[in-house]
Amino acid sequence: AQKVTQAQTEISVVEKEDVTLDCVYETRDTTYYLFWYKQPPSGELVFLIRRNSFDEQNEISGRYSWNFQKSTSSFNFTITASQVVDSAVYFCALSESAGGTSYGKLTFGQGTILTVHP
Amino acid sequence: NAGVTQTPKFRILKIGQSMTLQCTQDMNHNYMYWYRQDPGMGLKLIYYSVGAGITDKGEVPNGYNVSRSTTEDFPLRLELAAPSQTSVYFCASSYSPAYGYTFGSGTRLTVV
Repeated sequence: AQKVTQAQTEISVVEKEDVTLDCVYETRDTTYYLFWYKQPPSGELVFLIRRNSFDEQNEISGRYSWNFQKSTSSFNFTITASQVVDSAVYFCALSESAGGTSYGKLTFGQGTILTVHP
Repeated sequence: NAGVTQTPKFRILKIGQSMTLQCTQDMNHNYMYWYRQDPGMGLKLIYYSVGAGITDKGEVPNGYNVSRSTTEDFPLRLELAAPSQTSVYFCASSYSPAYGYTFGSGTRLTVV
């Protein structure tokens, strides 16, 4: 069975600080997909990034960056120069391949509440 | 392009009542899912569907039922509501699980 662990329940930072959200996953599949979603106070789920298990390249998108390491089964998310608008709950999620019986079901971590203070 | 539309946005039910949460998508996605999110928790899968006429249970299906008569619609039925079903419910669809989901805006349900 697949599992996603976000060890940090809550993180509080001051604006302009860098912050890293940790995500560790477990899966028996060799083909899988990892995601990060953001849930702002308004409650909707916003897709941030997708990474497949064959692509270990790190990615940077503006102030956001992601570090995927298969050797440690981790997919960490860093926000550089945080802003108040980054305050939200962030979820890491894992989907096994659509083949077999998994049908792409997402397994979510419990989420990390990020609060950025002005 | 509406994406995934859920109705209602809020609902209060009394214990023992029944209701249907509606979900419709206009992206012609085959994969559709229902999740629930309890306070301070991640999302847990209730039911999913890989196409019209095909549904299956997820991690927490008890107390719920679904149907998928068309590609667009995937309603979730609550029978005999219980306080444990107080939660936020999200519907999602996907063209391919490799590309992630499009989520609806959620339905906040309270059972009293």
